[in-house]
Amino acid sequence: SQTIHQWPATLVQPVGSPLSLECTVEGTSNPNLYWYRQAAGRGLQLLFYSVGIGQISSEVPQNLSASRPQDRQFILSSKKLLLSDSGFYLCAWSVPPLGNTIYFGEGSWLTVV
Amino acid sequence: AQSVTQLGSHVSVSEGALVLLRCNYSSSVPPYLFWYVQYPNQGLQLLLKYTSAATLVKGINGFEAEFKKSETSFHLTKPSAHMSDAAEYFCAVSEYTGRRALTFGSGTRLQVQP
Repeated sequence: SQTIHQWPATLVQPVGSPLSLECTVEGTSNPNLYWYRQAAGRGLQLLFYSVGIGQISSEVPQNLSASRPQDRQFILSSKKLLLSDSGFYLCAWSVPPLGNTIYFGEGSWLTVV
Repeated sequence: AQSVTQLGSHVSVSEGALVLLRCNYSSSVPPYLFWYVQYPNQGLQLLLKYTSAATLVKGINGFEAEFKKSETSFHLTKPSAHMSDAAEYFCAVSEYTGRRALTFGSGTRLQVQP
């Protein structure tokens, strides 16, 4: 069966520090991968998606970047965090074709102080 | 562009009462529609999905939703609420082109009173 692992689960970082959140999927090949952010009291915002190694699409101009160095690995990064980067970050995956369910990881709580 | 509107950011029901969470979508093509549930400090779990088969979709935990094209709606219902149903519920629509991702509504927090 397929599983998704996301870490770290909780992170408190000072403003201006770097960020790296990592996500790996097991039990499937060539998945679509996604990073969503959920700010306090708000819905889910798609940040990045990837349909293959090295193929990253950004949805919202921001202080974050994403990379996919391996087929089932998706990394969310920042060089310098802002207070507004605080939130709940969710990695997710799906198997094409379109319409298949998107499965979510357990999420990472980021607090920028 | 596809979009989803969830009416009511907070819904409160009594235990044993009917649960009705509203979702309306906007799409230029037949959509795929989903309901997810999120318990505190956790990721999202799929409740059910509509993919152009039966218009009445049954999901986990006794929930179901009915796709109504004429009303562009996909409301979530459960005949009898349980305390464990207290959570946040998200409606989402799947895209056919472009980013191939889910677009989510803003969510509805369900509170179940004893």
